[in-house]
Amino acid sequence: NAGVTQTPKFQVLKTGQSMTLQCAQDMNHEYMSWYRQDPGMGLRLIHYSVGAGITDQGEVPNGYNVSRSTTEDFPLRLLSAAPSQTSVYFCASSYSGAVPEAFFGQGTRLTVV
Amino acid sequence: AQKVTQAQTEISVVEKEDVTLDCVYETRDTTYYLFWYKQPPSGELVFLIRRNSFDEQNEISGRYSWNFQKSTSSFNFTITASQVVDSAVYFCALSEAGGTSYGKLTFGQGTILTVHP
Repeated sequence: NAGVTQTPKFQVLKTGQSMTLQCAQDMNHEYMSWYRQDPGMGLRLIHYSVGAGITDQGEVPNGYNVSRSTTEDFPLRLLSAAPSQTSVYFCASSYSGAVPEAFFGQGTRLTVV
Repeated sequence: AQKVTQAQTEISVVEKEDVTLDCVYETRDTTYYLFWYKQPPSGELVFLIRRNSFDEQNEISGRYSWNFQKSTSSFNFTITASQVVDSAVYFCALSEAGGTSYGKLTFGQGTILTVHP
């Protein structure tokens, strides 16, 4: 059971480039989310999804785009990378009801130069 | 709006000392969940415990214990007889319960715990 899988683990982008961070989960969880972690700020919610075809914005959505075509996958797109998007990105999934805790992928360390 | 505050940015202890990590939260919801996560130097986030707003019973798991007090909006975490392997960043987090809220966590800033041998 792989849990939540994120790729890539590391990425360096030039300002203005676009890329997609991949996230897949095999636990049949309804809820999936993307967070960014910056020093001294904890993790902040970028976008989340409550099921296939349904997404919504979190606290810091600007510059990011998401879609959810299947229950398993929730990719995060950076449209035009900026140095302010240098961060560690975490994907998470969770199941409603009796098991509401989020399970996280291993993270993607992104540097924008 | 929800808010989680971990006032202790960094804590340094010597092995076998007890240490308490503080977490204070704000929410207007009457039904919510609180969580603690551990982030070791390898970087992954490890779920430690969940507590719902209706359950103020304290919990003990080995050397770990959690004290939830709704009256003071606090959910503190104590490590007894700390070990070097406890060195990590610890995050407290909050989410509403129900509806579309399960995937939305509000995190505190994190507390860096260093346990020296």
